[in-house]
Amino acid sequence: NAGVTQTPKFQVLKTGQSMTLQCAQDMNHEYMSWYRQDPGMGLRLIHYSVGAGITDQGEVPNGYNVSRSTTEDFPLRLLSAAPSQTSVYFCASSYRDSNQPQHFGDGTRLSIL
Amino acid sequence: AQSVTQLDSQVPVFEEAPVELRCNYSSSVSVYLFWYVQYPNQGLQLLLKYLSGSTLVKGINGFEAEFNKSQTSFHLRKPSVHISDTAEYFCAVISYGGSQGNLIFGKGTKLSVKP
Repeated sequence: NAGVTQTPKFQVLKTGQSMTLQCAQDMNHEYMSWYRQDPGMGLRLIHYSVGAGITDQGEVPNGYNVSRSTTEDFPLRLLSAAPSQTSVYFCASSYRDSNQPQHFGDGTRLSIL
Repeated sequence: AQSVTQLDSQVPVFEEAPVELRCNYSSSVSVYLFWYVQYPNQGLQLLLKYLSGSTLVKGINGFEAEFNKSQTSFHLRKPSVHISDTAEYFCAVISYGGSQGNLIFGKGTKLSVKP
């Protein structure tokens, strides 16, 4: 099992560019989510999905889009990158029940110049 | 709504010393509690979880945590730390039957183990 796979691991963008961060899981988890991690801020939820075709906003959704066309994949799109979006992004997945732990990818380190 | 407070942002400790990382939560309903560890340049990994039953929970790498309902705490302990335990530790809480989208993380405690 690969678990949760994120690509790319590193990316540098210019302000205004768009890009998609990829996330795939092979555990047949219903739930998938995206977090951003900034120093001293902990993890903040961007968007999440409880199943294919269903997405919802988290704490900090502005500037990001998601879609969930399959159980396995949950891409995160930056529409027009801004320096404030410089961060480390983590994808996580889990079974839907609240007693199940989330499984995390290794992160994408994104810098916006 | 739930919240989680990790009382120490940084904890320096010498190798082979005991350590306690503190976590307090607030909730009006019953909760599940988790501790995750994040090694440098990696994602979070589950260390241990409290779902029900015994209030003392054992996890990986010799860590354990004790759930105290009256004090709404879930402190993480290890009797003797190693250099390799240097990492950031996150406490998390979710209500019984709640959505995974409502999992709340604390802001993390950086454990630094010195030789």
